[in-house]
Amino acid sequence: GAVVSQHPSRVICKSGTSVKIECRSLDFQATTMFWYRQFPKQSLMLMATSNEGSKATYEQGVEKDKFLINHASLTLSTLTVTSAHPEDSSFYICSARAQTVYEQYFGPGTRLTVT
Amino acid sequence: AQKITQTQPGMFVQEKEAVTLDCTYDTSDQSYGLFWYKQPSSGEMIFLIYQGSYDEQNATEGRYSLNFQKARKSANLVISASQLGDSAMYFCAMRFPNSGNTPLVFGKGTRLSVIA
Repeated sequence: GAVVSQHPSRVICKSGTSVKIECRSLDFQATTMFWYRQFPKQSLMLMATSNEGSKATYEQGVEKDKFLINHASLTLSTLTVTSAHPEDSSFYICSARAQTVYEQYFGPGTRLTVT
Repeated sequence: AQKITQTQPGMFVQEKEAVTLDCTYDTSDQSYGLFWYKQPSSGEMIFLIYQGSYDEQNATEGRYSLNFQKARKSANLVISASQLGDSAMYFCAMRFPNSGNTPLVFGKGTRLSVIA
C-alpha cells in the first residue's frame, strides 16, 4: 500500500513554544490530507481537512489560529501547534487520500508532550 | 447526524478461535464506505478491510471478513483463527458520503486481547 510519513515521531517542547509536524505522502499524490488527534485510550478525532493549495477546513471546536495547517504541495502538509500548552499534549496523526482510491492512508503519528 | 457505535470497549478471545467485533452506524446517505483499522500499541493505524455501501458481497481479506447487514446498519468485523499478534485496538470507521474530500469518522474502538 501507499506510504505516508510523519516527522518527528516524538517531540517534547516547553509551554509557549511552537511545534511543526510534517506529513508526507511518499509514493502518491495526496489531493486531500486530514489531521487527527488522539488522547490516551480514546478514538481519533478529526481536526481538519486540507486540500493542496487551499485553506484547511477545521472541525468545530478546533482553533484554527492555534493549529495552523498548510498543504503546500500534493505530497506535503504541515501542522503547526502555536503557543503550545500542556493540554495540547496528544498523539497527532495525519492521513492522506489520493483522488482515485477509496483507501485513506495514515502516517505513523507524532507524540507531542508539552511541559 | 452520522454516528458510529462500537459497543464493546474490550473483548477477550482464545488463540485460534474466531471473534466478532461489533459496529453499527446511522446515516441517511446512500453512498458510504465502511472501514476497519487495527491500532497496536505502537500507534500506527493499519487498514484491514473495506466495504462500499453498494457492494453486494461481504468483503474478505485473509482472516478478516466484514459482516455487512445494510438493513440493520451494521458492519461487524470477524477475525478467524485469532493470533496473539491480533491483540490491539480495533476501530470501525466510515466515510459518508463516499466521495471527494470526505474524511473518515471513527467509532470509539474495541480493545481485543488474545489469550494463549
